[in-house]
Amino acid sequence: SAVISQKPSRDICQRGTSLTIQCQVDSQVTMMFWYRQQPGQSLTLIATANQGSEATYESGFVIDKFPISRPNLTFSTLTVSNMSPEDSSIYLCSVDAAGRRYTFGSGTRLTVV
Amino acid sequence: AQTVTQSQPEMSVQEAETVTLSCTYDTSESNYYLFWYKQPPSRQMILVIRQEAYKQQNATENRFSVNFQKAAKSFSLKISDSQLGDTAMYFCAFMTGANSKLTFGKGITLSVRP
Repeated sequence: SAVISQKPSRDICQRGTSLTIQCQVDSQVTMMFWYRQQPGQSLTLIATANQGSEATYESGFVIDKFPISRPNLTFSTLTVSNMSPEDSSIYLCSVDAAGRRYTFGSGTRLTVV
Repeated sequence: AQTVTQSQPEMSVQEAETVTLSCTYDTSESNYYLFWYKQPPSRQMILVIRQEAYKQQNATENRFSVNFQKAAKSFSLKISDSQLGDTAMYFCAFMTGANSKLTFGKGITLSVRP
């Protein structure tokens, strides 16, 4: 299965600023998924990123707040823009690189103060 | 829309005993996949087991097995010979082939007592 390197592992940010999270996969994948896990909650899909096209966002998530880049088949970034304390969460990327066996990055724990 | 329900928020089991975690789902699709993921305090999501809906045989992975009841839309996880390292959050998840998106349940906190 694929191995995902996700950075940073954690960060503490000031409100109003932006943070970019990176995911690097050790193999080429068609789709990359970005999830948010609020404290004590389950995972919620933010968007699906395909190489060469705009990301597809789920209801409740917008591109201006969570812009995503997918420059090639092994890399993607998620930016959390104009952060507020409500954005404090764990953000995870995921890929399906082995026939419906989804692998996750190690997550980014974001705290907004 | 697909939904996944994990009604038990937490469970506790004695080391070496067996525990079953419940999950139900709702879908109108006929082709789908079901998963159990483990999330220890490190927050890494680890795939425990996967079931393809068209396969009648229940999936097994070492100490982990599922009871897949398609008609009842039930997908429970049995952990045998529980170990301290099994202490974690466990999430049930669902995916259809149409969009490849995972839908997660709320999760259950499992504690294994020494």
